[in-house]
Amino acid sequence: EIVLTQSPATLSLSPGERATLSCRASQSVSSYLAWYQQKPGQAPRLLIYDASNRATGIPARFSGSGSGTDFTLTISSLEPEDFAVYYCQQRSNWPPAYTFGQGTKLEIK
Amino acid sequence: EVQLLESGGGLVQPGGSLRLSCAASGFTFSSYAMSWVRQAPGKGLEWVSAISGSGGSTYYADSVKGRFTISRDNSKNTLYLQMNSLRAEDTAVYYCAKDLQYCGSCAPEYFQHWGQGTLVTVSS
Repeated sequence: EIVLTQSPATLSLSPGERATLSCRASQSVSSYLAWYQQKPGQAPRLLIYDASNRATGIPARFSGSGSGTDFTLTISSLEPEDFAVYYCQQRSNWPPAYTFGQGTKLEIK
Repeated sequence: EVQLLESGGGLVQPGGSLRLSCAASGFTFSSYAMSWVRQAPGKGLEWVSAISGSGGSTYYADSVKGRFTISRDNSKNTLYLQMNSLRAEDTAVYYCAKDLQYCGSCAPEYFQHWGQGTLVTVSS
């Protein structure tokens, strides 16, 4: 099973600052990686898929990069609504299986 | 607008059974793989099971294999999860999720749309 490790566990920043979140896979997942945002009491929301493609309706301040084992989600300038928990997720081709990272909590400093 | 509405959660004793449903609307249901993803209280996300758009292929996490069964009724635009031999560690909010890609015979890729979730509590 591929394990995804996210860092840091908690990131404390102020609105307007740049956020950089990391996700590392225990083995290569090529570019089959997604990022989700989850706010308290809400379902997750897909932000980025295939490592760098923004999902429909996602603001341009969100960007993803990386391939193989190391991936990054960058929020260029934090808005108040961006403070949430972020998860990365990978899909294994065969047999199909899906794992999530443990999450990074982005909190207001 | 895509809508996914889960139901069927509740309190069940260890060893018991429960059937979850997810009513879908706003898209061609049979053309998309669907999944169940759960989240234990205060914890992260865990994929549970998936099914292709046609229903011909099913996939399970090792933690539920042999106990849970995923199915779908494309005539009713509804996804199901039959959960048997429930354990305390199955306690979670269960979300149904629609795949990103338009493909009736494919396994899911990513979880584009999510329902609001239904809480399953396994306790005596």
